[in-house]
Amino acid sequence: DIQMTQSPSSLSASVGDRVTITCRASQSISSYLNWYQQKPGKAPKLLIYAASSLQSGVPSRFSGSGSGTDFTLTISSLQPEDFATYYCQQSYSTSLTFGPGTKVDIK
Amino acid sequence: EVQLVQSGAEVKKPGESLKISCKGSGYSFTSYWIGWVRQMPGKGLEWMGIIYPGDSDTRYSPSFQGQVTISADKSISTAYLQWSSLKASDTAMYYCVRLVDYGGNSGDYWGQGTLVTVSS
Repeated sequence: DIQMTQSPSSLSASVGDRVTITCRASQSISSYLNWYQQKPGKAPKLLIYAASSLQSGVPSRFSGSGSGTDFTLTISSLQPEDFATYYCQQSYSTSLTFGPGTKVDIK
Repeated sequence: EVQLVQSGAEVKKPGESLKISCKGSGYSFTSYWIGWVRQMPGKGLEWMGIIYPGDSDTRYSPSFQGQVTISADKSISTAYLQWSSLKASDTAMYYCVRLVDYGGNSGDYWGQGTLVTVSS
């Protein structure tokens, strides 16, 4: 299996802050990387696919970058509704794997 | 409107069997992979496996191979996840998700989740 790691595991930020979350794959996955947002008690929501493409309906303050093994998710100006847990997921292999998640909470 | 509607919460005893379901609507059910994801209490997301309802091609994640069975009935647009003998460690929320090929499988529509509680 391809292993995914994320950093940090959690962070505290204020509304309006720029937030960056990093995801690393154990081998090159080209651009086969997705990002999801999950709020407590809810199903995950796809934010970014293919490393940098914004899913329809997702606000433009979310962006993704990277290729190979290193990827980032950036929220340009954190909004109250963005406090949640974020997961990366590789789709390079049919044995899909998620990262462990990054919890973003209020400072 | 694309929807995945999962069956309701279950409370079972260790050793019992269980089959939960995920019904798709609003799209061609046979044209997209469906995945199952486990989320244990307070923990992260884990892929269990995926199935292509068009031909029932199924792939399991190594951690779940032999532990569960994924199936689908395309005649009623429904995917299933089943256990033959539940353990307390199977207590979790289970999500089904439609996978769209954006040059790699991305989960664009998710079911609401089915909470499975296994307790003696």
